[in-house]
Amino acid sequence: EPEVTQTPSHQVTQMGQEVILRCVPISNHLYFYWYRQILGQKVEFLVSFYNNEISEKSEIFDDQFSVERPDGSNFTLKIRSTKLEDSAMYFCASNFIEGAPLGYTFGSGTRLTVV
Amino acid sequence: DAKTTQPPSMDCAEGRAANLPCNHSTISGNEYVYWYRQIHSQGPQYIIHGLKNNETNEMASLIITEDRKSSTLILPHATLRDTAVYYCIVRLYKAAGNKLTFGGGTRVLVKP
Repeated sequence: EPEVTQTPSHQVTQMGQEVILRCVPISNHLYFYWYRQILGQKVEFLVSFYNNEISEKSEIFDDQFSVERPDGSNFTLKIRSTKLEDSAMYFCASNFIEGAPLGYTFGSGTRLTVV
Repeated sequence: DAKTTQPPSMDCAEGRAANLPCNHSTISGNEYVYWYRQIHSQGPQYIIHGLKNNETNEMASLIITEDRKSSTLILPHATLRDTAVYYCIVRLYKAAGNKLTFGGGTRVLVKP
């Protein structure tokens, strides 16, 4: 069964450093998403991406965040200057047809720890 | 997207059916009911979705009331591996940017 692959599984970084979280969505999917989950809290939407541009973003997704699909297979989330409150699980997801009633496929996540 | 209400937790005996309720009284005609689950800290996993008819797949069954204001996810023979947080999400069938909005879900503990 096709999977969404995320790397690394765990990243520790110092406050103020830049981090890039990587995702390889399912190959024929067209829509890509990032979600995050702070420990003990709800899964929160960050951003959706389609046709090489952001289609929607949440209030969390401020100027410190950016996304990119650099090579047609990878989908990345960059945090420019990490803060302690960015510590969370970050999940990438993909979806084939926007608007079609299909389920998303989520990756297993990257645990980001900012120290 | 319409708001959903789920019990915060429930226990279930291994081998028995688990019936997970969800209220979505403000659902509109073109909104689907989706169920996902999250095992420990893994990524959410799609289970099933429906509009107004009952649905069944290899994982579960979804029963939607005739007025569509509530639904029940049924795990027919719960196993220990079904221990997870289960999310009921109502989502508009629309074009770009249709994110999933997760609530608190129901924490299901399957006991031996």
